[in-house]
Amino acid sequence: AQKITQTQPGMFVQEKEAVTLDCTYDTSDPSYGLFWYKQPSSGEMIFLIYQGSYDQQNATEGRYSLNFQKARKSANLVISASQLGDSAMYFCAMKRKNRDDKIIFGKGTRLHILP
Amino acid sequence: NAGVMQNPRHLVRRRGQEARLRCSPMKGHSHVYWYRQLPEEGLKFMVYLQKENIIDESGMPKERFSAEFPKEGPSILRIQQVVRGDSAAYFCASSQSGDGYTFGSGTRLTVV
Repeated sequence: AQKITQTQPGMFVQEKEAVTLDCTYDTSDPSYGLFWYKQPSSGEMIFLIYQGSYDQQNATEGRYSLNFQKARKSANLVISASQLGDSAMYFCAMKRKNRDDKIIFGKGTRLHILP
Repeated sequence: NAGVMQNPRHLVRRRGQEARLRCSPMKGHSHVYWYRQLPEEGLKFMVYLQKENIIDESGMPKERFSAEFPKEGPSILRIQQVVRGDSAAYFCASSQSGDGYTFGSGTRLTVV
Protein backbone atom coordinates (compact mmCIF):
# COMPACT_ATOMS: atom_id res chain seq x y z
CA ALA A 1 0.00 0.00 0.00
CA GLN A 2 1.08 3.54 -0.64
CA LYS A 3 1.40 6.09 2.13
CA ILE A 4 2.49 9.71 2.46
CA THR A 5 3.63 11.13 5.79
CA GLN A 6 3.99 14.82 6.57
CA THR A 7 5.15 15.19 10.15
CA GLN A 8 4.95 18.98 10.47
CA PRO A 9 1.37 20.11 11.07
CA GLY A 10 2.45 23.75 11.19
CA MET A 11 5.51 25.91 10.63
CA PHE A 12 6.37 29.56 11.21
CA VAL A 13 9.11 31.08 9.09
CA GLN A 14 10.46 34.60 8.79
CA GLU A 15 9.95 36.30 5.46
CA LYS A 16 12.88 35.93 3.03
CA GLU A 17 14.18 32.82 4.77
CA ALA A 18 14.27 29.43 3.08
CA VAL A 19 11.91 26.77 4.34
CA THR A 20 11.90 22.98 4.03
CA LEU A 21 8.66 21.03 4.26
CA ASP A 22 9.16 17.38 5.05
CA CYS A 23 7.58 14.47 3.22
CA THR A 24 8.27 10.77 3.44
CA TYR A 25 6.53 8.11 1.45
CA ASP A 26 6.10 4.40 1.30
CA THR A 27 5.48 2.31 -1.77
CA SER A 28 6.50 -1.05 -3.17
CA ASP A 29 6.22 0.14 -6.76
CA PRO A 30 9.50 0.94 -8.51
CA SER A 31 7.92 3.57 -10.75
CA TYR A 32 6.05 6.45 -9.17
CA GLY A 33 5.65 10.19 -9.18
CA LEU A 34 5.73 12.64 -6.32
CA PHE A 35 3.82 15.93 -6.26
CA TRP A 36 3.55 19.01 -4.11
CA TYR A 37 0.41 21.14 -4.04
CA LYS A 38 -0.28 24.47 -2.38
CA GLN A 39 -3.70 25.30 -0.97
CA PRO A 40 -4.11 28.97 -0.02
CA SER A 41 -6.94 30.20 2.18
CA SER A 42 -9.10 30.61 -0.92
CA GLY A 43 -9.18 26.82 -1.13
CA GLU A 44 -7.99 25.91 -4.61
CA MET A 45 -5.32 23.27 -5.17
CA ILE A 46 -2.30 24.67 -6.96
CA PHE A 47 0.23 22.28 -8.48
CA LEU A 48 3.81 23.27 -7.59
CA ILE A 49 6.29 20.63 -8.61
CA TYR A 50 6.65 17.03 -9.76
CA GLN A 51 9.42 14.44 -9.37
CA GLY A 52 9.52 11.09 -11.12
CA SER A 53 11.13 8.17 -9.32
CA TYR A 54 13.60 7.62 -12.18
CA ASP A 55 14.45 11.27 -12.71
CA GLN A 56 18.18 11.73 -12.36
CA GLN A 57 18.02 15.28 -11.09
CA ASN A 58 15.95 16.94 -8.40
CA ALA A 59 13.04 18.91 -9.79
CA THR A 60 13.07 22.69 -9.64
CA GLU A 61 10.41 25.25 -10.51
CA GLY A 62 11.36 28.84 -9.79
CA ARG A 63 11.66 29.23 -6.02
CA TYR A 64 10.51 25.65 -5.46
CA SER A 65 12.82 22.68 -5.45
CA LEU A 66 12.28 19.10 -4.43
CA ASN A 67 14.98 17.41 -2.37
CA PHE A 68 14.46 13.85 -3.54
CA GLN A 69 16.29 11.15 -1.59
CA LYS A 70 15.11 7.88 -3.03
CA ALA A 71 16.91 5.55 -0.65
CA ARG A 72 15.40 7.36 2.31
CA LYS A 73 12.03 7.65 0.58
CA SER A 74 11.84 11.35 1.21
CA ALA A 75 10.71 14.17 -1.06
CA ASN A 76 11.06 17.40 0.85
CA LEU A 77 9.89 20.68 -0.67
CA VAL A 78 12.29 23.60 -0.38
CA ILE A 79 11.01 27.14 -0.86
CA SER A 80 13.76 29.70 -1.23
CA ALA A 81 13.40 33.35 -0.24
CA SER A 82 9.96 32.91 1.28
CA GLN A 83 7.27 35.52 0.70
CA LEU A 84 4.14 36.45 2.61
CA GLY A 85 2.09 34.96 -0.21
CA ASP A 86 3.61 31.56 0.50
CA SER A 87 1.46 31.27 3.62
CA ALA A 88 -0.80 28.30 2.86
CA MET A 89 -1.33 24.59 3.36
CA TYR A 90 1.12 22.40 1.48
CA PHE A 91 0.36 18.83 0.51
CA CYS A 92 2.75 16.14 -0.60
CA ALA A 93 1.26 13.44 -2.81
CA MET A 94 2.26 10.41 -4.85
CA LYS A 95 0.95 8.24 -7.62
CA ARG A 96 2.06 5.05 -9.32
CA LYS A 97 3.45 6.12 -12.65
CA ASN A 98 1.98 5.22 -16.00
CA ARG A 99 -1.00 3.58 -14.44
CA ASP A 100 -4.59 4.57 -14.21
CA ASP A 101 -4.47 5.28 -10.55
CA LYS A 102 -5.34 7.77 -7.88
CA ILE A 103 -3.08 10.32 -6.20
CA ILE A 104 -2.55 9.71 -2.48
CA PHE A 105 -2.17 12.82 -0.32
CA GLY A 106 -0.46 13.49 2.98
CA LYS A 107 -2.22 15.40 5.74
CA GLY A 108 -0.47 18.62 4.91
CA THR A 109 1.68 21.26 6.56
CA ARG A 110 0.35 24.74 7.30
CA LEU A 111 3.06 27.28 6.58
CA HIS A 112 2.93 30.75 8.12
CA ILE A 113 5.32 33.37 6.77
CA LEU A 114 6.01 36.12 9.29
CA PRO A 115 6.73 39.70 8.17
CA ASN B 1 -8.73 26.16 -22.82
CA ALA B 2 -10.82 26.24 -19.67
CA GLY B 3 -9.61 24.31 -16.67
CA VAL B 4 -11.59 21.86 -14.62
CA MET B 5 -14.94 23.44 -13.84
CA GLN B 6 -16.82 22.57 -10.70
CA ASN B 7 -20.21 23.89 -9.73
CA PRO B 8 -21.63 25.08 -7.59
CA ARG B 9 -18.75 26.62 -5.63
CA HIS B 10 -20.84 26.62 -2.49
CA LEU B 11 -23.82 24.42 -1.70
CA VAL B 12 -26.00 24.48 1.38
CA ARG B 13 -28.35 21.59 2.06
CA ARG B 14 -30.58 20.68 4.96
CA ARG B 15 -30.16 17.31 6.57
CA GLY B 16 -31.96 14.67 4.54
CA GLN B 17 -31.78 16.51 1.22
CA GLU B 18 -29.79 15.45 -1.81
CA ALA B 19 -26.59 17.15 -2.96
CA ARG B 20 -25.46 17.05 -6.58
CA LEU B 21 -21.95 18.21 -7.38
CA ARG B 22 -20.85 18.70 -10.97
CA CYS B 23 -17.44 18.48 -12.58
CA SER B 24 -16.57 19.27 -16.18
CA PRO B 25 -13.07 18.00 -16.95
CA MET B 26 -10.56 19.83 -19.08
CA LYS B 27 -11.10 19.49 -22.79
CA GLY B 28 -9.64 16.22 -23.99
CA HIS B 29 -9.45 14.69 -20.52
CA SER B 30 -11.29 11.43 -20.08
CA HIS B 31 -10.22 10.58 -16.52
CA VAL B 32 -12.05 12.13 -13.56
CA TYR B 33 -11.22 11.77 -9.88
CA TRP B 34 -13.26 12.93 -6.89
CA TYR B 35 -11.70 13.80 -3.53
CA ARG B 36 -13.16 14.93 -0.22
CA GLN B 37 -11.42 17.28 2.18
CA LEU B 38 -12.68 17.60 5.72
CA PRO B 39 -11.73 20.79 7.60
CA GLU B 40 -8.01 20.94 8.41
CA GLU B 41 -7.33 17.61 6.73
CA GLY B 42 -5.80 16.38 3.50
CA LEU B 43 -7.64 15.20 0.43
CA LYS B 44 -9.11 11.73 0.62
CA PHE B 45 -9.69 9.82 -2.60
CA MET B 46 -13.29 8.84 -3.27
CA VAL B 47 -13.73 7.57 -6.81
CA TYR B 48 -12.04 7.40 -10.21
CA LEU B 49 -14.10 7.34 -13.38
CA GLN B 50 -13.56 7.21 -17.09
CA LYS B 51 -16.33 7.87 -19.57
CA GLU B 52 -19.31 5.69 -18.59
CA ASN B 53 -17.15 3.52 -16.31
CA ILE B 54 -16.25 3.50 -12.63
CA ILE B 55 -12.63 2.37 -12.43
CA ASP B 56 -11.96 2.61 -8.69
CA GLU B 57 -14.54 3.42 -6.03
CA SER B 58 -12.56 2.16 -3.07
CA GLY B 59 -12.88 5.51 -1.27
CA MET B 60 -16.62 5.90 -1.64
CA PRO B 61 -18.82 5.41 1.42
CA LYS B 62 -20.96 2.32 0.93
CA GLU B 63 -24.26 4.14 1.30
CA ARG B 64 -25.77 7.40 0.07
CA PHE B 65 -22.86 8.29 -2.24
CA SER B 66 -22.75 7.64 -5.98
CA ALA B 67 -20.85 8.98 -8.95
CA GLU B 68 -21.22 8.91 -12.69
CA PHE B 69 -19.41 10.21 -15.75
CA PRO B 70 -21.76 9.88 -18.70
CA LYS B 71 -20.78 9.85 -22.32
CA GLU B 72 -22.06 13.38 -22.66
CA GLY B 73 -22.00 16.01 -19.94
CA PRO B 74 -20.20 16.50 -16.66
CA SER B 75 -19.33 14.01 -13.99
CA ILE B 76 -21.79 14.05 -11.10
CA LEU B 77 -21.15 13.20 -7.46
CA ARG B 78 -24.46 12.58 -5.73
CA ILE B 79 -24.99 12.45 -1.99
CA GLN B 80 -28.41 11.33 -0.87
CA GLN B 81 -29.95 12.13 2.50
CA VAL B 82 -27.07 14.34 3.55
CA VAL B 83 -25.93 14.46 7.17
CA ARG B 84 -23.81 17.05 9.02
CA GLY B 85 -20.74 14.86 8.64
CA ASP B 86 -20.93 15.24 4.85
CA SER B 87 -19.99 18.91 5.20
CA ALA B 88 -16.65 19.21 3.42
CA ALA B 89 -14.91 20.49 0.35
CA TYR B 90 -15.27 18.17 -2.63
CA PHE B 91 -12.62 18.42 -5.31
CA CYS B 92 -12.63 17.03 -8.80
CA ALA B 93 -9.48 16.45 -10.84
CA SER B 94 -9.09 15.38 -14.43
CA SER B 95 -6.29 13.95 -16.53
CA GLN B 96 -5.77 12.77 -20.06
CA SER B 97 -3.87 9.59 -19.46
CA GLY B 98 -3.67 9.09 -15.72
CA ASP B 99 -0.76 11.48 -15.22
CA GLY B 100 -0.76 15.25 -14.97
CA TYR B 101 -3.79 15.96 -12.81
CA THR B 102 -5.57 19.30 -12.91
CA PHE B 103 -7.83 20.16 -9.99
CA GLY B 104 -11.00 22.19 -10.02
CA SER B 105 -11.67 24.88 -7.44
CA GLY B 106 -13.87 22.61 -5.38
CA THR B 107 -17.43 22.65 -4.07
CA ARG B 108 -17.93 23.55 -0.42
CA LEU B 109 -20.88 21.61 0.90
CA THR B 110 -22.48 22.75 4.12
CA VAL B 111 -25.20 20.66 5.70
CA VAL B 112 -27.41 22.54 8.15
